Amino acid sequence: DQQVKQNSPSLSVQEGRISILNCDYTNSMFDYFLWYKKYPAEGPTFLISISSIKDKNEDGRFTVFLNKSAKHLSLHIVPSQPGDSAVYFCAASGGEGLTFGTGTRLQVTL
Amino acid sequence: DTGVSQDPRHKITKRGQNVTFRCDPISEHNRLYWYRQTLGQGPEFLTYFQNEAQLEKSRLLSDRFSAERPKGSFSTLEIQRTEQGDSAMYLCASGDYEQYFGPGTRLTVT
Repeated sequence: DQQVKQNSPSLSVQEGRISILNCDYTNSMFDYFLWYKKYPAEGPTFLISISSIKDKNEDGRFTVFLNKSAKHLSLHIVPSQPGDSAVYFCAASGGEGLTFGTGTRLQVTL
Repeated sequence: DTGVSQDPRHKITKRGQNVTFRCDPISEHNRLYWYRQTLGQGPEFLTYFQNEAQLEKSRLLSDRFSAERPKGSFSTLEIQRTEQGDSAMYLCASGDYEQYFGPGTRLTVT
């Protein structure tokens, strides 16, 4: 049972434009959500998080939006830069281990 | 603070052999987690420790897997009688709501 889903395996965006990565979840017990960025042969790098009591959190170029009624969250990157090219994972926490989606590969083109 | 470290970074072993991995968490973090990641998937939770106590084990953690965290500092993950299906990236993380990952140990079972 895939409790966290990232339905877009890949996304290509031009440099300077907005990148929007989406994530859906099914377990209403999740109360904290995170986004990680991963390069090949490295561990995931924490980017930004949001508690279930909020609907938006911003950190520099990264903004995460949470829609609890739709069980949906998204990561906005503005403006996108070539160094943002990586695999992005959405993760959810019910208090213990994280449950991850399968990732979206973002390619930022010049 | 040097972040989470893992050793070794790569391990090649023959089927049936035992292997042990080490994780050193961020020093002030009480919680330590182990995950496994296979190609095309997000990390999957295996187990976690609060100080030296192992509080949860995933059903992915078969009897051949054992983890310890003596004295609540570093942790080890041992896999006995390795199988080809154990080939994966083994990731360690520390933190509470926000988990910070190490670089991982890539295990190849031949």
